[in-house]
Amino acid sequence: QVTLKESGPVLVKPTETLTLTCTVFGFSLNKGRMGVSWIRQPPGKALEWLANIFSKDEYSYSPSLRTRLTISKDTSKNQVVLTMTNMDPADTATYYCARMNDILDPFDIWGQGTMVTVSS
Amino acid sequence: DIQMTQSPSTLSASIGDRVTITCRASQSADRWLAWYQQKTGKAPELLIYEASRLASGVPSRFSGSGSGTEFTLTISSLQPSDFATYFCQQYNNYWTFGQGTKVEIK
Repeated sequence: QVTLKESGPVLVKPTETLTLTCTVFGFSLNKGRMGVSWIRQPPGKALEWLANIFSKDEYSYSPSLRTRLTISKDTSKNQVVLTMTNMDPADTATYYCARMNDILDPFDIWGQGTMVTVSS
Repeated sequence: DIQMTQSPSTLSASIGDRVTITCRASQSADRWLAWYQQKTGKAPELLIYEASRLASGVPSRFSGSGSGTEFTLTISSLQPSDFATYFCQQYNNYWTFGQGTKVEIK
């Protein structure tokens, strides 16, 4: 069964760096053209794609957040890690990771999400 | 960036109604358009991909159509489990979502 699970801090302070981990189960991060995306959703608002990484280490970032994001993967741990620097209260959101089978594929399986609050 | 605009933002409907949601792209998304359903407090779930292909396990009352810049999601006969928020997403040029359409009970 394919599942993804996000983990990370519940609360971060403004200007701090957020590190989130997506652990995947039931598929391999280095097989085929598999990829994992990070998406966030502020409370009551729309979804926003942040970044993704694929099996051959190709990656993309949201143009509006590119300077603050870094994505990486550890295939031995079945994990994808996203860091976001200089956190602001406007970054308060539920952060999801989701699987993609290829670059021109939708997000077919999503994690449950992890809520991150930015506050001093 | 390709901007995605959904209409309406909120839709009130009754059980058994035919419901249509529209999604417009600021530039062509070709056929690379997906629809997701999100229930309160839950992660989104994939309904439709490549504009009209039904995802695995999705009931046949859901259908999608369109190409280029205009797309629609139709629910042929609204069921109690369909009251939720629906998002479109283009994946032709990066990945961007519409602002969502909330389907409420009338």
